[in-house]
Amino acid sequence: EPEVTQTPSHQVTQMGQEVILRCVPISNHLYFYWYRQILGQKVEFLVSFYNNEISEKSEIFDDQFSVERPDGSNFTLKIRSTKLEDSAMYFCASSVKGETQYFGPGTRLLVL
Amino acid sequence: AQSVTQPDIHITVSEGASLELRCNYSYGATPYLFWYVQSPGQGLQLLLKYFSGDTLVQGIKGFEAEFKRSQSSFNLRKPSVHWSDAAEYFCAVGARGGADGLTFGKGTHLIIQP
Repeated sequence: EPEVTQTPSHQVTQMGQEVILRCVPISNHLYFYWYRQILGQKVEFLVSFYNNEISEKSEIFDDQFSVERPDGSNFTLKIRSTKLEDSAMYFCASSVKGETQYFGPGTRLLVL
Repeated sequence: AQSVTQPDIHITVSEGASLELRCNYSYGATPYLFWYVQSPGQGLQLLLKYFSGDTLVQGIKGFEAEFKRSQSSFNLRKPSVHWSDAAEYFCAVGARGGADGLTFGKGTHLIIQP
């Protein structure tokens, strides 16, 4: 069964550094999403992406964040200058046409 | 703004007993409704979803959920739990179609007693 994959599974970085989290959505899906889950808290929507542009974004998704689909398979989330409060699990998800979202296993980001 | 309430942070159930996890939502229209499960260190796995039609929906692993419009609820049930059901369960709502993100509840941590 096709799955969303994410790399790396864990990343440790220093405050102020840039990080890029990578996702490979399910191949025939058209909508892509990023969510985050701060430890012990609920899953929060960050951004959705369709037709090579951002469709929706939350207030969390500020200028420090960007998303890109650099090729036909990868979908990336870049955090330009990480802060301590960016430490979280980041989930990528994809859907065929914006209804059922399938999630990847997540990348745990730790900012020191 | 939409919201999801899962009133039970933790629930402990004996193996073999029945289970009901509560979910209430606030949404301007009839939303899409989902239950996801997260095992320790794992991602979010879709258990079941409700879009329209029959208000009792069946999912994987023997779970079912019932949509009650009058109560704005979408409770998850299982007649007999297994030790492997121990996990975090999240209820979520989404808009009908489009690229809107899902709104999640805070989750219910399910503990299974032997």
